[in-house]
Amino acid sequence: AQSVTQLGSHVSVSEGALVLLRCNYSSSVPPYLFWYVQYPNQGLQLLLKYTTGATLVKGINGFEAEFKKSETSFHLTKPSAHMSDAAEYFCAVSDRSNSGYALNFGKGTSLLVTP
Amino acid sequence: DTAVSQTPKYLVTQMGNDKSIKCEQNLGHDTMYWYKQDSKKFLKIMFSYNNKELIINETVPNRFSPKSPDKAHLNLHINSLELGDSAVYFCASSQGAGAYQPQHFGDGTRLSIL
Repeated sequence: AQSVTQLGSHVSVSEGALVLLRCNYSSSVPPYLFWYVQYPNQGLQLLLKYTTGATLVKGINGFEAEFKKSETSFHLTKPSAHMSDAAEYFCAVSDRSNSGYALNFGKGTSLLVTP
Repeated sequence: DTAVSQTPKYLVTQMGNDKSIKCEQNLGHDTMYWYKQDSKKFLKIMFSYNNKELIINETVPNRFSPKSPDKAHLNLHINSLELGDSAVYFCASSQGAGAYQPQHFGDGTRLSIL
């Protein structure tokens, strides 16, 4: 089964600083990887995805992630944090289940942005 | 327009009751899902339907029964509610059931069992 591990359940950065949220995957086949963001009391919003092709993926709100097969990683970055980036971030990998595919999520990383 | 909408948003009820959560999507997608998010925010797939056919049925108590009357709707009925059922339940949809299809989530239904 495909799985992801998010390192760091809580990350705190200053406004304007680099955001780096770590995700490592375990997969026996080429993975399809996703990053989602969850704001308080809301659903999950897709930030970006990696399927095939370019390994540097750009998403919404200035976020990007790089797929590194040699390191089995898909870390999420943003050059300059805004207060509005404070949220829960989930890395996910698509995994075969019965006759379909579902997302296997990491445990999430809570991002705190301080003034 | 809300793409994936769930009702109710909050559900507070007593142990032993039966309740339903409804989900509708207006994205024209053919695949829908139910996920459960526990108190530690861990998300886990429960069920998925593709064109009204059940394609994912994870190890979930049989008190939980999904129903898809059409491609745009997926409901979740829960019998004999237990304390451990307290969680946030998310509905999601995607175009196709492939591994690379991004899923679009509703805002969740927060179920609290007293």
